[in-house]
Amino acid sequence: DAGVTQSPTHLIKTRGQQVTLRCSPKSGHDTVSWYQQALGQGPQFIFQYYEEEERQRGNFPDRFSGHQFPNYSSELNVNALLLGDSALYLCASSFVRNQETQYFGPGTRLLVL
Amino acid sequence: DAKTTQPPSMDCAEGRAANLPCNHSTISGNEYVYWYRQIHSQGPQYIIHGLKNNETNEMASLIITEDRKSSTLILPHATLRDTAVYYCIVRVARTGTASKLTFGTGTRLQVTL
Repeated sequence: DAGVTQSPTHLIKTRGQQVTLRCSPKSGHDTVSWYQQALGQGPQFIFQYYEEEERQRGNFPDRFSGHQFPNYSSELNVNALLLGDSALYLCASSFVRNQETQYFGPGTRLLVL
Repeated sequence: DAKTTQPPSMDCAEGRAANLPCNHSTISGNEYVYWYRQIHSQGPQYIIHGLKNNETNEMASLIITEDRKSSTLILPHATLRDTAVYYCIVRVARTGTASKLTFGTGTRLQVTL
């Protein structure tokens, strides 16, 4: 049973560029949540997708957007990258109907130069 | 979601029990206590969760006080591989959408020989 997978594992971008990160949920899960983890901090909630719609959003600007596909996989897009966007981006999946536990992927480490 | 308070760091000798405390004095009746750990910038790993009763699984035991204002995660026989940051999170059980996880700064557990 495959767990949560994320791609790419590492990414280097320059300021002003755009980036797309991808997440495939654990088999049987229908909800994807995205978190940002800056160095030395705990993960911070960005947003959550269920039934291809954004259901909850944390305190992040509109530069952060996402999408969920019919197969439940998800993308996180960040426009106009800033140096401060350098972080580990984590995806977590869960099954919403049973309030099931969120399981995390390995993350994508983004470095903005 | 209720806030949690954890000691910033703890040490434990290998083979001994590691007892990690968490204070959540403002927890509501419909909030669960979740524990995750994160090993060296990997994705957070789910450990255990509970509402009122003590819980045990293959990884750990969770002891919740009767008034639910604090809890203790117990790793019965700590090994070097248990060295990680441990996060205690309280999370409301909500139908329809899976609620977000609000991470604090956690407890850095160092297991030593």
